[in-house]
Amino acid sequence: QVQLVESGGGVVQPGRSLRLSCAASGFTFRSYGMHWVRQAPGKGLEWVPVVWHHGDSVRGRFTISRDNSKNTLYLQISSLRAEDTAVYYCARDWGSGTFDHWGQGTLVTVSS
Amino acid sequence: QSALTQPPSASGSPGQSVTISCTGTSSDVGGYKFVSWYQQHPGKAPKLVIYEVSERPSGVPDRFSGSKSGNTASLTVSGLQAEDEADYYCSSYTGSDTYVFGTGTKVTVL
Repeated sequence: QVQLVESGGGVVQPGRSLRLSCAASGFTFRSYGMHWVRQAPGKGLEWVPVVWHHGDSVRGRFTISRDNSKNTLYLQISSLRAEDTAVYYCARDWGSGTFDHWGQGTLVTVSS
Repeated sequence: QSALTQPPSASGSPGQSVTISCTGTSSDVGGYKFVSWYQQHPGKAPKLVIYEVSERPSGVPDRFSGSKSGNTASLTVSGLQAEDEADYYCSSYTGSDTYVFGTGTKVTVL
């Protein structure tokens, strides 16, 4: 069965960088687009830019990459701010932004 | 890209129906068929309940249905059950491989 497991969260000081990982199993990872979605405490879902099949996707402080040989998706966040505090989910893209499977999420807390 | 607009809350008694709206623009909801809905219980990951406006994934009860008119999509939950109490989010493709979520609606079963 499809399984997505995020890791790498924790308490991080403002200004530092962090890399999150999402280990995928149960499907042909290289055949699917993958997304990161975050949710601040008590708030709604927020989409983070997607990478499709190959290459990196960069927007501002966020860099998304993937290693198809390791079935793993990554999210690098630089210059962390308090407002980046959130649960970060990875999700599989069934097609055109249909997020059909989600991980359990990893909590990132930005605090000094 | 601004979040799609949803009502903060909706409610209904067991067995009744509740409809949630999701309002965007012609650049997102109105411009594409790629509108999805997600159910999220407290402390849990979201779960896909509707995709491509009105399609239901395998395993999702047919009590869940979706539709769209112009720039507004809707999710209807018929025959409300206690386990339907959750937060619901819409999402839409916005072009150029970008996506946006709605503000979320808390559904309460009275």
